[in-house]
Formats: sequence, C-alpha cells, structure tokens
Amino acid sequence: EAGVAQSPRYKIIEKRQSVAFWCNPISGHATLYWYQQILGQGPKLLIQFQNNGVVDDSQLPKDRFSAERLKGVDSTLKIQPAKLEDSAVYLCASSSPPLFFPGRLSGANVLTFGAGSRLTVL
Amino acid sequence: RKEVEQDPGPFNVPEGATVAFNCTYSNSASQSFFWYRQDCRKEPKLLMSVYSSGNEDGRFTAQLNRASQYISLLIRDSKLSDSATYLCAVIFNTDKLIFGTGTRLQVFP
Repeated sequence: EAGVAQSPRYKIIEKRQSVAFWCNPISGHATLYWYQQILGQGPKLLIQFQNNGVVDDSQLPKDRFSAERLKGVDSTLKIQPAKLEDSAVYLCASSSPPLFFPGRLSGANVLTFGAGSRLTVL
Repeated sequence: RKEVEQDPGPFNVPEGATVAFNCTYSNSASQSFFWYRQDCRKEPKLLMSVYSSGNEDGRFTAQLNRASQYISLLIRDSKLSDSATYLCAVIFNTDKLIFGTGTRLQVFP
C-alpha cells in the first residue's frame, strides 16, 4: 500500500513570502490531517478534513494559513505571508475513520503520517 | 493546562536497562490512547495502542490509568536502536488526535 505523499520535502523562503504544501493521502482514507511540528515539540493539529469538509480548524492561524481539500482526496496547505515562527515541519496524515471504535482492540484504523515538508523562513 | 503532557527528558540509559515514561491527559472523556515513535528528522510512526487492560508487545508494555489520567510506556532490555523520541497521543472528541511534546530517549553502550 502506498503511503502518504507530501511535497516539497524542503522549502526555504524569506519572511513575508508565500508557500504551499501538497499532500496525497493513502487511497481510500477519508480523513486528512495537517500537523505543524516545531523543533523540540510534538505535532500540533492545524486542520482536520473529513472528505472535503473541515472537521476542526481551531488551531489554524487563519489570518495567514489556509487549507483546502476540494475533491476529498489531495490537500494543499498555504501560508501567506510567512513569519519566522512558521519554520517547522508540516506533517500530513490520513486515516480511515473512525479512529475510535468503542471496545475495539484492533489497531487497524491508525493515523499514518507522510514524511513531512520542512519549512525554513529566513 | 496542556491537553497532553510529557516529560521531555532526555532519558539517558545504558543498554539493557528498563525505562518508563508517563504521559498525563487533561480530558477525562478521552477515548483512545497511543504511543508513537519518532526518529530524528523522520515522521512519527505508531508504536502501540494503549488499551484499558494494558498491552504488551515484546519488550514494550503500555498501561492506562483512567483514575489518575495517565498512560505509561515501559521498555525492558533497552537497545541502542530504541533511541528516539516517544510521543504520547490521545483522542479527544471524535477522531481528533492530540500529541504530547514527546520524551527523548538515548540508550548508550
């Protein structure tokens, strides 16, 4: 099974420039997540899609970040304009919902990450 | 209070040692719990799920304590290859997976 694909792997930009990251989830996975991981910290959920609808975007800085998943498959995360503090790895993940089944012992429905897109803002 | 908290470490242990990490969570209604492993400059990968009855996978044992709202990960007979960051993750509401900051483990010869 092909994994979660992300591009670009690395991007260096200057502050106030814009950048876009692309994610292609595992085939058939309806739920797609974007996480931001700053060096030395755990992944922070930015936005969660179920098919092409937004489930949660409470942690997304909407003045500069936007994300879409128009056809319920691929997704794009954009930052415009970028700030120094946006330097991080942007991780895309997907899962076949739901993650939680009451009483489920099987780990079949797990969240799988892509390799990430490392952003450096100078 | 953070939703999921971990001691960032690092934990420096010799090969063969037993080491344990704890992770506390704030929402008593949290439903599912996981440990992920993250190697340097790599993405997190699922290590194991944590069930109410606890579970064991080889040298790794995970426990859940709902009363005190924490989960634990025990690694026995540590190997050099166990050196990594261990991330605790908790499901809040429905399918919202929240991670802790991670605990760094360094196993030395």
